Amino acid sequence: GAVVSQHPSRVICKSGTSVKIECRSLDFQATTMFWYRQFPKQSLMLMATSNEGSKATYEQGVEKDKFLINHASLTLSTLTVTSAHPEDSSFYICSVPYQGGGKTQYFGPGTRLLVL
Amino acid sequence: AQSVTQLGSHVSVSEGALVLLRCNYSSSVPPYLFWYVQYPNQGLQLLLKYTSAATLVKGINGFEAEFKKSETSFHLTKPSAHMSDAAEYFCAVSEGNTDKLIFGTGTRLQVFP
Repeated sequence: GAVVSQHPSRVICKSGTSVKIECRSLDFQATTMFWYRQFPKQSLMLMATSNEGSKATYEQGVEKDKFLINHASLTLSTLTVTSAHPEDSSFYICSVPYQGGGKTQYFGPGTRLLVL
Repeated sequence: AQSVTQLGSHVSVSEGALVLLRCNYSSSVPPYLFWYVQYPNQGLQLLLKYTSAATLVKGINGFEAEFKKSETSFHLTKPSAHMSDAAEYFCAVSEGNTDKLIFGTGTRLQVFP
């Protein structure tokens, strides 16, 4: 099956710093990727749709300047949490839609962010 | 708008017992429905999906789900629980003509020996 990787798997940073999370589609090219946020013991909330060659589409309530998304190539999307604060601590997961249709998405292993 | 409701945030069963995780959906169009499993500190793994073909869908690890339009349900079942089935399970519906997924709140399955 398709493989999606995320790097880093875990990051601890100081408040006020920026953190970049990479999402890579290893098996096929992806013109879109999705970024989710998951708080402890809660469901996944879609943050934004990353679009190759154009701006990301953000869900309502998600700060565009806070969560910068760049779809650098057909296999790489990055999420940068700018000026991170403790309330940004969360589990961030990306997904890649299967290009063969059927609306299946393949999920990355997630990145645990802890902001001190 | 499409939505998914998972009844029961926690389900506990004994090893070998039937597993039943409930999911009801709301959709104005024929839905694509999914069940995903998440183990601690990991991403989501697809268990199975419904795409308007057979109403009884078989997935991995012995799980299956039945699409019932009259009940707007897509409950997940497994005849005999195994200790390794302990995890968080999410039901999801695909939104309209996009690939976006709307997730339910999740059900944590505990399996006791």
